[in-house]
Amino acid sequence: SQQGEEDPQALSIQEGENATMNCSYKTSINNLQWYRQNSGRGLVHLILIRSNEREKHSGRLRVTLDTSKKSSSLLITASRAADTASYFCATVNNYGQNFVFGPGTRLSVLP
Amino acid sequence: NAGVTQTPKFRVLKTGQSMTLLCAQDMNHEYMYWYRQDPGMGLRLIHYSVGEGTTAKGEVPDGYNVSRLKKQNFLLGLESAAPSQTSVYFCASSESRNEQFFGPGTRLTVL
Repeated sequence: SQQGEEDPQALSIQEGENATMNCSYKTSINNLQWYRQNSGRGLVHLILIRSNEREKHSGRLRVTLDTSKKSSSLLITASRAADTASYFCATVNNYGQNFVFGPGTRLSVLP
Repeated sequence: NAGVTQTPKFRVLKTGQSMTLLCAQDMNHEYMYWYRQDPGMGLRLIHYSVGEGTTAKGEVPDGYNVSRLKKQNFLLGLESAAPSQTSVYFCASSESRNEQFFGPGTRLTVL
């Protein structure tokens, strides 16, 4: 069974608005990563946050991690039409090399 | 650098046929992975490898075999294809538990 679960499954916003996606997981982790997938393409790594970190920024991306609630959020500020994609969280535990992906959030940014 | 490449990009098989998908990476990564992605779902791990000559089962290994004879290559084999194996297959590589680099995918249809 998949460990990560993104919420919402789909999100539609206007250009310039902020988009927030959430990820919940079940077991302890080493790190949590967010990926983007454009239609018909492979996944692209966006940002990694380690279990001892609470917040991380990269350009217009802000990721938070709450290990007590076993959840993470990805915020995309000032969204653009080019941000339209599916976004996945992946968790990595301390015991192996497996990356466990959630089902993703489909983001549509309307011009 | 080409990154991660996959061959072929598309393939149509009849039930019972066999085929091999090839993944190659030029980043000298130790870890390589094979995933399948079905509509509306995240990635599910089929098999992975933590180094040349090693392989391990992932979440959905049945019906697939893999080999890692060279560090840069990771082969995924289907011995007797079934319609349930219709999917998009992604290969990825990584250095330890950090970000994964994905190939462009192979779209496989089994009739």
